[in-house]
Amino acid sequence: AQKITQTQPGMFVQEKEAVTLDCTYDTSDQSYGLFWYKQPSSGEMIFLIYQGSYDEQNATEGRYSLNFQKARKSANLVISASQLGDSAMYFCAMRVNTGFQKLVFGTGTRLLVSP
Amino acid sequence: EPEVTQTPSHQVTQMGQEVILRCVPISNHLYFYWYRQILGQKVEFLVSFYNNEISEKSEIFDDQFSVERPDGSNFTLKIRSTKLEDSAMYFCASREGLAGGGEQFFGPGTRLTVL
Repeated sequence: AQKITQTQPGMFVQEKEAVTLDCTYDTSDQSYGLFWYKQPSSGEMIFLIYQGSYDEQNATEGRYSLNFQKARKSANLVISASQLGDSAMYFCAMRVNTGFQKLVFGTGTRLLVSP
Repeated sequence: EPEVTQTPSHQVTQMGQEVILRCVPISNHLYFYWYRQILGQKVEFLVSFYNNEISEKSEIFDDQFSVERPDGSNFTLKIRSTKLEDSAMYFCASREGLAGGGEQFFGPGTRLTVL
C-alpha cells in the first residue's frame, strides 16, 4: 500500500533563511505523482508544487522547489527565503494510480518562521 | 481564477442529526473527491466520484455517508446520523482529468462540529 512519511512534526526557521521539509514515500507503482500542500491556520489546503515520477528535473514554483530523489524515494520541499507568511502546516501527498487517483497524505510538518 | 467553493464554512449539529455539506467544483472538472481531516491529524480520503457514480470509497465511508451530484454544479456529502467522531474538517476537491499532473484543487473546507 502507498504511504507517505513526514518525520518532522515541527520546524523552525528564521525569516529569509531556506528550509527543507522532509517527505519519503513508499509505493510499488512505476508511475505516480507527488504533491505538497500548505495549510495555514485558516484551514484551507493550498497546492504548492507537483512532481511526476517520470519528470527528470526537479519541480520549481517560485520560492518552492522539490528535491526529488527517486532511488531514495524522497520528495523534500525546499522553501527559499522564508517569509513570515510561510508559517503553516505543510503536507506531502502522493497520487495513487488506481481507480480515480486519490491522494494519500502524510501527517504534516508545522513550520514556524520567526522574524 | 476558478476555485472550488464549499458551504457552510462551519456547521454545528447535534449527534444523530443529518447534515449535508455542499461543494461547487470548478466548472469543467470531471472528477470529484471528499476528504476529511480530524483536528490535528492528517487528511484522509473518503470517496471519489465520476460520471454520477462513486468510483472508490474508503473504509471510513460507511452506510451513514452518501454523495450526490444533484445538478450540474453542486456536489454534496450527506451524513445521515452524525456521531461525535464525525467532527472534522471536510474538504471537497476536483480535478479536470486523469492525464498529466492531475492536480486536485481543494475547497476551503467545512468544519463540522457534532455535539
